[in-house]
Amino acid sequence: NAGVMQNPRHLVRRRGQEARLRCSPMKGHSHVYWYRQLPEEGLKFMVYLQKENIIDESGMPKERFSAEFPKEGPSILRIQQVVRGDSAAYFCASSPPGQLSRRNTEAFFGQGTRLTVV
Amino acid sequence: DQQVKQNSPSLSVQEGRISILNCDYTNSMFDYFLWYKKYPAEGPTFLISISSIKDKNEDGRFTVFLNKSAKHLSLHIVPSQPGDSAVYFCAASARFNGGTSYGKLTFGQGTILTVHP
Repeated sequence: NAGVMQNPRHLVRRRGQEARLRCSPMKGHSHVYWYRQLPEEGLKFMVYLQKENIIDESGMPKERFSAEFPKEGPSILRIQQVVRGDSAAYFCASSPPGQLSRRNTEAFFGQGTRLTVV
Repeated sequence: DQQVKQNSPSLSVQEGRISILNCDYTNSMFDYFLWYKKYPAEGPTFLISISSIKDKNEDGRFTVFLNKSAKHLSLHIVPSQPGDSAVYFCAASARFNGGTSYGKLTFGQGTILTVHP
């Protein structure tokens, strides 16, 4: 049973280019979360998605960032026109569906994508 | 506004002794708390959790204590082992009060634990 898979592990982009980060959740998981970790900081929530739906994007920057989780295929975090401040580790996590009252939030994390903007 | 705080950036402990990592939170809506362990260049790994209806949860060498009135939780590792050396993150969620965003975690800044042989 493969864990959460993220690719690429490392991504280098020049300022102004686009970055696409992919996340395949664990088998049977239909909830995906994206987090960003800036140097010397903890992880910060960005967005929560279910298949074909954005549930909570309260942590997403207003511009240049978007996320999707299509019916088929991985979840994608897209950053347009990257700037140096976007350099960070981006982590994806997934959790299974279930009744809210019984649901725990031990989300399983991928190994992350380290984005470097030069 | 840092809703979850880990005030100790680092902790150094001798092998075999107890490691105590602390975490404070400010948001009274949080009702579920988790500890994650993270090695460099890897994703966080879930360690242990506790619901707000409990004040203690134990799993092997790991015990988490929750003091709701003080909005404080701690992770005890006994006995500490060199392999425990990593960054430890405290996280919190509002499972029932957060509506559909129950899975959204708010993390502390992390504490670097070093266990010396």
